[in-house]
Amino acid sequence: DTAVSQTPKYLVTQMGNDKSIKCEQNLGHDTMYWYKQDSKKFLKIMFSYNNKELIINETVPNRFSPKSPDKAHLNLHINSLELGDSAVYFCASSQARGAQAGPQHFGDGTRLSIL
Amino acid sequence: KQEVTQIPAALSVPEGENLVLNCSFTDSAIYNLQWFRQDPGKGLTSLLLIQSSQREQTSGRLNASLDKSSGRSTLYIAASQPGDSATYLCAVIIRGAQKLVFGQGTRLTINP
Repeated sequence: DTAVSQTPKYLVTQMGNDKSIKCEQNLGHDTMYWYKQDSKKFLKIMFSYNNKELIINETVPNRFSPKSPDKAHLNLHINSLELGDSAVYFCASSQARGAQAGPQHFGDGTRLSIL
Repeated sequence: KQEVTQIPAALSVPEGENLVLNCSFTDSAIYNLQWFRQDPGKGLTSLLLIQSSQREQTSGRLNASLDKSSGRSTLYIAASQPGDSATYLCAVIIRGAQKLVFGQGTRLTINP
């Protein structure tokens, strides 16, 4: 019954590798997001998609590439992983966006550790 | 640039007390403000969402207020319980930019 699910929950990998994180929501929402929470617990938006269309792309290195095959999925691929990429990555979704946006619902996060 | 600040960074109170968490934001051009709680190792749980045209929202023992003109919101927790221990975050959706900007949170501990 999980509303927003992310896989994997933990990801430990070597510097330089390429990895993907998957996110799925079963709430019927049309907007999905990726956030990064750093070691100081500060949450910052990375990307937002509405009905498979990219609407927010913050100042994120182009090693990060989101992909939305349909409005229920938003995956995050990261190339050439660096030490500074170590963080918790959260996926979220909401019904509509902007002034019409409802509450955002978050997944449990993916804890990425770069060795 | 929108900045969201939460004070205090940490708060510890005895069980049963009423308490207030504070959130301030620098730009009043927002669509809404949302309060979340985050438990250790978990994602965020939405508590309350206040639209920019509203003054407050209530859910159970929680009451959130919004004063857009002064750039402030408060989260009032009545009759606190140990299960309320968590980090509480506030976030605003910036008008036009349509993105959530978060504060750094208040880590709340309720002592039995």
